[in-house]
Amino acid sequence: SAVISQKPSRDICQRGTSLTIQCQVDSQVTMMFWYRQQPGQSLTLIATANQGSEATYESGFVIDKFPISRPNLTFSTLTVSNMSPEDSSIYLCSVEGVGTEAFFGQGTRLTVV
Amino acid sequence: GDSVTQMEGPVTLSEEAFLTINCTYTATGYPSLFWYVQYPGEGLQLLLKATKADDKGSNKGFEATYRKETTSFHLEKGSVQVSDSAVYFCALTNSNYQLIWGAGTKLIIKP
Repeated sequence: SAVISQKPSRDICQRGTSLTIQCQVDSQVTMMFWYRQQPGQSLTLIATANQGSEATYESGFVIDKFPISRPNLTFSTLTVSNMSPEDSSIYLCSVEGVGTEAFFGQGTRLTVV
Repeated sequence: GDSVTQMEGPVTLSEEAFLTINCTYTATGYPSLFWYVQYPGEGLQLLLKATKADDKGSNKGFEATYRKETTSFHLEKGSVQVSDSAVYFCALTNSNYQLIWGAGTKLIIKP
């Protein structure tokens, strides 16, 4: 299993600003995943972050808007840049095993005003 | 592409009622199947899983059986409690090791 600490747990931000979300895992993992969960919706994968390489973004998500860092095997950050109210969501980091369950951070509830 | 379809919510039940939340999937090969739960104000956590056909996952009184013939993984509980109120997500990992999510079903249990 893996324990994931994610922070901040929530924030209210002004439009046009940026927020960096941190994700710390208690064990070394190859891949970390960042999801967005918009109100009343399912999870949407933003990107996959591998240590030592550029993150791989899903369709509809770009690095300029959601830059990701992965400096080591236990840590990653996601930045939501130049925020607008449409970015109000819950952002989740996750680690997964092949064929096994996924482990999630507690999520960051972002409100953009 | 691979997909997961689950019944729309919200599902509203009285305490001690029988619960079924339907989940069907489309995937090549032999995916692993999961139910995740998200309690109000909390993150996602695994509820149960099944990794091959006819496996039954169970936890906290919830059960789901991997039915390959009907490509289903329906979640059931014999007697729900108010504390079961949450959003439930059906998911699978496919042959490319991607995690595919259903839309989620909100469950409301009334005392």
